[in-house]
Amino acid sequence: IVMTQTPLSSPVTVGQPASISCRSSQSLVHSDGNTYLSWLQQRPGQPPRLLIYEISNRFSGVPDRFSGTGAGTDFTLKISRVEAEDVGVYYCMQATQSWTFGQGTKVEIK
Amino acid sequence: QVQLVESGGGVVQPGRSLRLSCTASGFTFNNHGMHWVRQAPGKGLEWVAVIWYDGSKKYYADSVKGRFTISRDDSRNTLYLQMNSLRAEDAAVYFCARDHIVGAAPDYWGQGTLVTVSS
Repeated sequence: IVMTQTPLSSPVTVGQPASISCRSSQSLVHSDGNTYLSWLQQRPGQPPRLLIYEISNRFSGVPDRFSGTGAGTDFTLKISRVEAEDVGVYYCMQATQSWTFGQGTKVEIK
Repeated sequence: QVQLVESGGGVVQPGRSLRLSCTASGFTFNNHGMHWVRQAPGKGLEWVAVIWYDGSKKYYADSVKGRFTISRDDSRNTLYLQMNSLRAEDAAVYFCARDHIVGAAPDYWGQGTLVTVSS
């Protein structure tokens, strides 16, 4: 399964919203009925950090300004009000059929 | 707290082997599947391999299948990645990551260990 993210780069103003799209080459609905689509953040010089799993579930400690939506093959990560600490690269990842990452979206402050 | 510490990286010649280790602490190791993920310099994340919580299943990326082997020693709380027939394109930071109990997502990551493949 190929994961395609858009945009690849997103300059945003602090306090403004940001949105990242992720599209899969086939449906991510597993035979068990779940959709294994996650979002991860990688700050500069840091390992990745899990933000969202199963489309919309925020991982422990993740601020509620991060939200995930979508179904089937189209998914979106939204940051309601970007903060300076949100700078980094964001990846979607599917685990429905093996595991693959999107190519990453770089979020930077204008 | 959950901690994952990778080791074993270094400089290796093409065609040679290397074994990476990931020592886990702060959680019940044999309750979780474990992943290896790599990141070439300046590039994105590439999933490498996963091993089920009980070691019963192992899956690999096509790029490493037949050359890399993932394993675990629950008595040592340690995950391994045996890498054989290394190629220049295997050069990367290798991260181990824990699989979330639900959701099939890697929830905790180590800091990574750098593998350089060069003659």
